[in-house]
Amino acid sequence: GENVEQHPSTLSVQEGDSAVIKCTYSDSASNYFPWYKQELGKGPQLIIDIRSNVGEKKDQRIAVTLNKTAKHFSLHITETQPEDSAVYFCALGGGSEKLVFGKGTKLTVNP
Amino acid sequence: DVKVTQSSRYLVKRTGEKVFLECVQDMDHENMFWYRQDPGLGLRLIYFSYDVKMKEKGDIPEGYSVSREKKERFSLILESASTNQTSMYLCASSSGGVRETQYFGPGTRLLVL
Repeated sequence: GENVEQHPSTLSVQEGDSAVIKCTYSDSASNYFPWYKQELGKGPQLIIDIRSNVGEKKDQRIAVTLNKTAKHFSLHITETQPEDSAVYFCALGGGSEKLVFGKGTKLTVNP
Repeated sequence: DVKVTQSSRYLVKRTGEKVFLECVQDMDHENMFWYRQDPGLGLRLIYFSYDVKMKEKGDIPEGYSVSREKKERFSLILESASTNQTSMYLCASSSGGVRETQYFGPGTRLLVL
């Protein structure tokens, strides 16, 4: 079945620095790669997603890149701000009718 | 705005009790999901439903059951709660297929003593 490995599990950066979170997968049938952000006390919320026919997608300070050959995709956050502090989950879909989530990355942005 | 509400934010139950967790969405979504979230394990799918009265097992259905009698409501049932079911439970809903956004509720933190 589908499986996704997410790294790192924790990440601490200084405000203004960039943060990168990477996920690797094995199922070549996967064709949908969303990223969710979970703030303290809240449920996860979709922040960006990418489909397999696109290599990169940007939305202001966040971007996702996809390398289907190597089977990995990454979330990039530039100019980090304290409000970016949260737990981030990658997920993948397409191989079956449900999303498979990574284990999460706790990002801390230090002012 | 899509709204997914869960009946309780915090719940404390005794071992062996029957526990009901309720989830309601207001966007007429076909799909509803129950996940549990544990530190270091991420989000694990318990059950999901594509339509009223339909249910599918997720990755960790043991010890749980679900009910979907109305489109907007999806209930998770712990028939006989155990301490290893202490966790955060998240409900989500979506329209269409797997590529559609899942909208999550705020979660219910369940403690089983």
